[in-house]
Amino acid sequence: DQQVKQNSPSLSVQEGRISILNCDYTNSMFDYFLWYKKYPAEGPTFLISISSIKDKNEDGRFTVFLNKSAKHLSLHIVPSQPGDSAVYFCAMAGNYGQNFVFGPGTRLSVLP
Amino acid sequence: DAGVIQSPRHEVTEMGQEVTLRCKPISGHDYLFWYRQTMMRGLELLIYFNNNVPIDDSGMPEDRFSAKMPNASFSTLKIQPSEPRDSAVYFCASIPYGANVLTFGAGSRLTVL
Repeated sequence: DQQVKQNSPSLSVQEGRISILNCDYTNSMFDYFLWYKKYPAEGPTFLISISSIKDKNEDGRFTVFLNKSAKHLSLHIVPSQPGDSAVYFCAMAGNYGQNFVFGPGTRLSVLP
Repeated sequence: DAGVIQSPRHEVTEMGQEVTLRCKPISGHDYLFWYRQTMMRGLELLIYFNNNVPIDDSGMPEDRFSAKMPNASFSTLKIQPSEPRDSAVYFCASIPYGANVLTFGAGSRLTVL
């Protein structure tokens, strides 16, 4: 039973447009939510995070939205660039950052 | 800091052979995690340690898999005997107590023929 779902295995977007990646979860005990980006032959790298007391966090072109009532997390990338092409994993953890659970990932392709 | 270091980066072996993957976490990180990435399941947690003690190994697929952390700077994940379905990328990650961001190694790609 998957606690974290990313229902779109892949997404293609034109350069300059907005990319929206989505993530749904079932466990209401999660306190901290993260997005990781993974390039081929590399480990996942941290991108942006949000705690459960917020509903939005921005970092440059990246914004994460959290809707706790809907148990839904999303990542917006504006404007999208070809270098953003990668696999994106959402992740979430309980208190103290232990026991991280990851989604299956969404492969984003940004077309020039 | 050099980050989380994993070895080997690539391993090709034949079914039935023993495989040992190694990880050196970031110095001072209290927690160490082993994950496996497959196309079907994405990133799945196998086991994690706190201060060298295994805390949750419920993700370990079966008895063929074992993990140890003999000291704060070294961990191994062993598969014996290996099977073709074990082919995947295995990641190690670490985090200090109270932090909220895992740092991953570059991964070990295992191919079992």
